[in-house]
Amino acid sequence: NAGVMQNPRHLVRRRGQEARLRCSPMKGHSHVYWYRQLPEEGLKFMVYLQKENIIDESGMPKERFSAEFPKEGPSILRIQQVVRGDSAAYFCASSFGDSSYEQYFGPGTRLTVT
Amino acid sequence: QQQVKQSPQSLIVQKGGISIINCAYENTAFDYFPWYQQFPGKGPALLIAIRPDVSEKKEGRFTISFNKSAKQFSLHIMDSQPGDSATYFCAARMDSSYKLIFGSGTRLLVRP
Repeated sequence: NAGVMQNPRHLVRRRGQEARLRCSPMKGHSHVYWYRQLPEEGLKFMVYLQKENIIDESGMPKERFSAEFPKEGPSILRIQQVVRGDSAAYFCASSFGDSSYEQYFGPGTRLTVT
Repeated sequence: QQQVKQSPQSLIVQKGGISIINCAYENTAFDYFPWYQQFPGKGPALLIAIRPDVSEKKEGRFTISFNKSAKQFSLHIMDSQPGDSATYFCAARMDSSYKLIFGSGTRLLVRP
């Protein structure tokens, strides 16, 4: 599968637990973006990362949310102490580089907080 | 100024008809306008995109029309098919930023 991969596809967490969402970009892509989609709404930008660097986190909530894209391995979006309002679909996209406008999305992780 | 306004919210078209979805923006710094197609339970798939230096781009049955002076762009789906039934999102991006600003989506239903 040469596309963007995300796992898990579905994640259920109780309030107060931690959620860890993983994203592997397309082969050859070094730029990763995370977006959140609430039911019946459009996607909202959260964070943009390159390997070992956070470039733009202007869409990330100030607390409980963090993201990383290590030198080796997938990008991780981490949500600590989840609340019901965190229930959403979280999508990862990747692009080839700075000059590439095209972002390709993964299948998403649907987080449900009970 | 960062918003992209999309209409209609939902659209029903007969098979073979033309589906038209519109988007408008305010920020003239936007310089890349993609359209995404999303099926239920799936991620958005890049359909077609345009830069503001052209007024129209066509790929198969899908056409983007771009009106720079009016700050509007639209997606036309010719010969609409039931398999086109999905949610369509327009988006915009500034050269100085890497994030896509998405419209609220249009749910298209093509009746057989």
